[in-house]
Amino acid sequence: AQTVTQSQPEMSVQEAETVTLSCTYDTSESDYYLFWYKQPPSRQMILVIRQEAYKQQNATENRFSVNFQKAAKSFSLKISDSQLGDAAMYFCALAGTYKYIFGTGTRLKVLA
Amino acid sequence: DSGVTQTPKHLITATGQRVTLRCSPRSGDLSVYWYQQSLDQGLQFLIQYYNGEERAKGNILERFSAQQFPDLHSELNLSSLELGDSALYFCASSQPGVVEQYFGPGTRLTVT
Repeated sequence: AQTVTQSQPEMSVQEAETVTLSCTYDTSESDYYLFWYKQPPSRQMILVIRQEAYKQQNATENRFSVNFQKAAKSFSLKISDSQLGDAAMYFCALAGTYKYIFGTGTRLKVLA
Repeated sequence: DSGVTQTPKHLITATGQRVTLRCSPRSGDLSVYWYQQSLDQGLQFLIQYYNGEERAKGNILERFSAQQFPDLHSELNLSSLELGDSALYFCASSQPGVVEQYFGPGTRLTVT
């Protein structure tokens, strides 16, 4: 069975600082993808970043980057230069064959 | 705007009733996914359709059913509604061979 665990229900970060959100997963599949989605108060699900399991290089999208540790089955999201607009729920997701599994989310608060 | 549309935006109904949620995928996307998000919870995968055929099933109750039509829009039917069915229902779509899913704005269902 596939599982995704986000152990931090809530995190806070000062504006302009850096924060890291944790995610661990488990899967028996060799070919899979990992994602971080952002859900702001509007409740829209927004894709932030993706990582292919076969790629060793960590994905980066502007201020967002991941630390993908395949052997440890860890996939953390780093947000640099945090902005007030980054405040949201962040969900880690694992995509295997035909299915997406989402974690329970981490609520990020950005302090001015 | 992801290009995925969902109607209605809000739905309020009574226990025991039946409702239909509608989703139109992005142009070119053949896959449609349905998810349920209860209050402050993660997303639970319900079902996936690919080009009109059921591809994968998640934690979908027997009272729920879905279909994808030849024009690729999809409908999720929820019957014998219970208070616990109150949730945000998301539809997502993806292109053939592409893993990323793009989410619609969701339908908020309230069962009273």
